[in-house]
Amino acid sequence: DTGVSQDPRHKITKRGQNVTFRCDPISEHNRLYWYRQTLGQGPEFLTYFQNEAQLEKSRLLSDRFSAERPKGSFSTLEIQRTEQGDSAMYLCASSLGLGLGSSYEQYFGPGTRLTVT
Amino acid sequence: AQSVTQLGSHVSVSEGALVLLRCNYSSSVPPYLFWYVQYPNQGLQLLLKYTTGATLVKGINGFEAEFKKSETSFHLTKPSAHMSDAAEYFCAVSVPRGAAGNKLTFGGGTRVLVKP
Repeated sequence: DTGVSQDPRHKITKRGQNVTFRCDPISEHNRLYWYRQTLGQGPEFLTYFQNEAQLEKSRLLSDRFSAERPKGSFSTLEIQRTEQGDSAMYLCASSLGLGLGSSYEQYFGPGTRLTVT
Repeated sequence: AQSVTQLGSHVSVSEGALVLLRCNYSSSVPPYLFWYVQYPNQGLQLLLKYTTGATLVKGINGFEAEFKKSETSFHLTKPSAHMSDAAEYFCAVSVPRGAAGNKLTFGGGTRVLVKP
């Protein structure tokens, strides 16, 4: 169990550029979540995958945001035409969901800190 | 919809003193409750959780929390603070939704400062 990993850890980009982040969950975990955390706030839910299916998206996830999880393994989160308001820590978490029998514990990665200048 | 309120965005305690972090939640169905800790520039680490059963739950690093349904609270305590406990603490709630997943709703966090 190597834990959840995220890449890159830091990203600085200019307004209007596109960025893509990657998350590798714990290998046997079928559920994957993305959250966004702005300075001084708690994380906010963005989107959720069970295996390769994206089952829920927050209203926070504007049309400029897209997430994928091909083959139910790693996931990518892309932000198009970045804005200064997108500056935040993007956190990925994974869990083992087996319906009502799941422990529902989510394990978080170290996050990707995005700065839009 | 669920919500979490953490009373006090900053708490200062002396080393060796009791740590008490307050969390109140709102949920229309029986919730699952969690406490996470976050060190600077790191992700979140699970301290403890309540799903069902015993309402007093023990976690890592000497922390424990008690689920009080009548008070809709899930306060976190540690009898004796250590310098290494300086961090930000988040209370979170989710509800079991089967295949629909269990997204977490977090409180605003409480930053703990430990004085020597």
